[in-house]
Amino acid sequence: QKEVEQNSGPLSVPEGAIASLNCTYSDRGSQSFFWYRQYSGKSPELIMSIYSNGDKEDGRFTAQLNKASQYVSLLIRDSQPSDSATYLCAVNREYGNKLVFGAGTILRVKS
Amino acid sequence: EPEVTQTPSHQVTQMGQEVILRCVPISNHLYFYWYRQILGQKVEFLVSFYNNEISEKSEIFDDQFSVERPDGSNFTLKIRSTKLEDSAMYFCASRKTGLGEKLFFGSGTQLSVL
Repeated sequence: QKEVEQNSGPLSVPEGAIASLNCTYSDRGSQSFFWYRQYSGKSPELIMSIYSNGDKEDGRFTAQLNKASQYVSLLIRDSQPSDSATYLCAVNREYGNKLVFGAGTILRVKS
Repeated sequence: EPEVTQTPSHQVTQMGQEVILRCVPISNHLYFYWYRQILGQKVEFLVSFYNNEISEKSEIFDDQFSVERPDGSNFTLKIRSTKLEDSAMYFCASRKTGLGEKLFFGSGTQLSVL
């Protein structure tokens, strides 16, 4: 079982629509959850962090966490072509301080 | 915003040669990391470093790899005898504390082993 799983996509949405990205993780003791955006050839860039169950909103982005279901999601409202990138889910496991990344979901926003 | 600086941005080497990848983490950060990403694949953890010693390493980080913090600012990754499969983007990262803090990534070094 992979530690952090994401649908590879591509997920295609029209400009202005809501993009919904999902992630599941295997370590039930995981404490911290992050969404990174990565453009081709560039380093990961942090978008959102979430630590407790529920929703967390920041501008057009909403992260959702459900620890019982071991599930994290990212909603992007009013999607823009500039949002087209690979979105990486990352989890800080209960022991150790490394982040474990999923393989990423490719998002394409069509204008 | 403060930045993690990596040099060089590109490194080409012959198989069997030694390479040193350099990083300057953010000055007040305490935890340092190396990750790598083979083209088209996921970002993989290599090693974490805290208080002048390795705190965790992955199975990828074998005897060919070593890390060092030679002075108060630099953090280096050395690959002793490069293999073709070491070709990847190597990212240095740092954060202020361990668990839960934002991880700042450098812009990466693209290593090509010929």
